[in-house]
Amino acid sequence: GAVVSQHPSRVICKSGTSVKIECRSLDFQATTMFWYRQFPKQSLMLMATSNEGSKATYEQGVEKDKFLINHASLTLSTLTVTSAHPEDSSFYICSATDYTTDTQYFGPGTRLTVL
Amino acid sequence: RKEVEQDPGPFNVPEGATVAFNCTYSNSASQSFFWYRQDCRKEPKLLMSVYSSGNEDGRFTAQLNRASQYISLLIRDSKLSDSATYLCVVTPNTGNQFYFGTGTSLTVIP
Repeated sequence: GAVVSQHPSRVICKSGTSVKIECRSLDFQATTMFWYRQFPKQSLMLMATSNEGSKATYEQGVEKDKFLINHASLTLSTLTVTSAHPEDSSFYICSATDYTTDTQYFGPGTRLTVL
Repeated sequence: RKEVEQDPGPFNVPEGATVAFNCTYSNSASQSFFWYRQDCRKEPKLLMSVYSSGNEDGRFTAQLNRASQYISLLIRDSKLSDSATYLCVVTPNTGNQFYFGTGTSLTVIP
């Protein structure tokens, strides 16, 4: 079946650095991808909708200048956490919709720890 | 008000028990409904879609009540492997973004 990959799966960085997370749809094209964040024992929260070839749409309360999203191709979206701080430590998950089957697939997630 | 609300549990049930989870949603125009399962530190995986007429997949039964704006998941004959967090997911009438409930934690005890 369709697969969505994320890289890296785990990252530990120092406060103030930027971290880029990649989300790829491996065997289908995704004009739209979504980025979620999940803090421990909490639900996934939608951060933004990534649209291929155009600007991302951010949910209320999510800083677009801090969480940069680029969706340059039909199979790749990237999320860059700029100037990361310890409060950004979280589990980041992307998803992509395979419109041929109308099914949304989730990536395995990236666990970010900011020291 | 949150888009989707769930009882977080935890639910601790013995093997073989029947357990039910409910979830309410706030947007009456919501189009699609799903139950996802999430194991610890893993991504959510689709368990089943929820159809207006209700649907069953083996030991799992999902129901949708549009009038009261809630969906339910019933698990019969619980197995140890059913232990996970079950997420109620709703999509609005536009776009494909998902809104997740907080998840309900289930532990099946031997």
